[in-house]
Amino acid sequence: DVKVTQSSRYLVKRTGEKVFLECVQDMDHENMFWYRQDPGLGLRLIYFSYDVKMKEKGDIPEGYSVSREKKERFSLILESASTNQTSMYLCASRSGAGGRGGYTFGSGTRLTVV
Amino acid sequence: AQSVTQLGSHVSVSEGALVLLRCNYSSSVPPYLFWYVQYPNQGLQLLLKYTSAATLVKGINGFEAEFKKSETSFHLTKPSAHMSDAAEYFCALASNDYKLSFGAGTTVTVRA
Repeated sequence: DVKVTQSSRYLVKRTGEKVFLECVQDMDHENMFWYRQDPGLGLRLIYFSYDVKMKEKGDIPEGYSVSREKKERFSLILESASTNQTSMYLCASRSGAGGRGGYTFGSGTRLTVV
Repeated sequence: AQSVTQLGSHVSVSEGALVLLRCNYSSSVPPYLFWYVQYPNQGLQLLLKYTSAATLVKGINGFEAEFKKSETSFHLTKPSAHMSDAAEYFCALASNDYKLSFGAGTTVTVRA
């Protein structure tokens, strides 16, 4: 089975800190995604990457950046954390082949900014 | 533009009763549709997916969904609810550029 591993389940950070959320997948998938999940809003796409060193803005990229230096790792960066970025963050990956299926999600990182 | 609407943010059913979760979509291309389940403090698990083959899709844990193009719907059902079905359920749509768009989610509670 494909595994998507998010390095932290829970994080507490202070306002203004630079925060790194890490995501690693073990099945050589080309595409990787970062979503945030908030009650009543579902999941919203922050950034995605079709391949190494490629990145595209999603629906809510403001306040975030990403890095994909290696195929298996996709990092989400909060340049200066703010309280409105308190949320659950979910990483996903999928193979570039085989149509629009085959997404696999990590277990999530619950970030609290104080 | 693609979008997904889940009707009802909260559904409460009795154990053994029918579970029906509603999802409507809007898509300019033939859609790929998914239902995911999320248990407390966990990630998303795929229940089932529609990828333009059979319109009635069977998934895990006894769930199934029917794609109805004329109604732009993809409702999820389970004939008999179990206590373990208590979770949050998300309908999602995959666009041509492989992004997933999600509905707002429906929380299911099961009464003993």
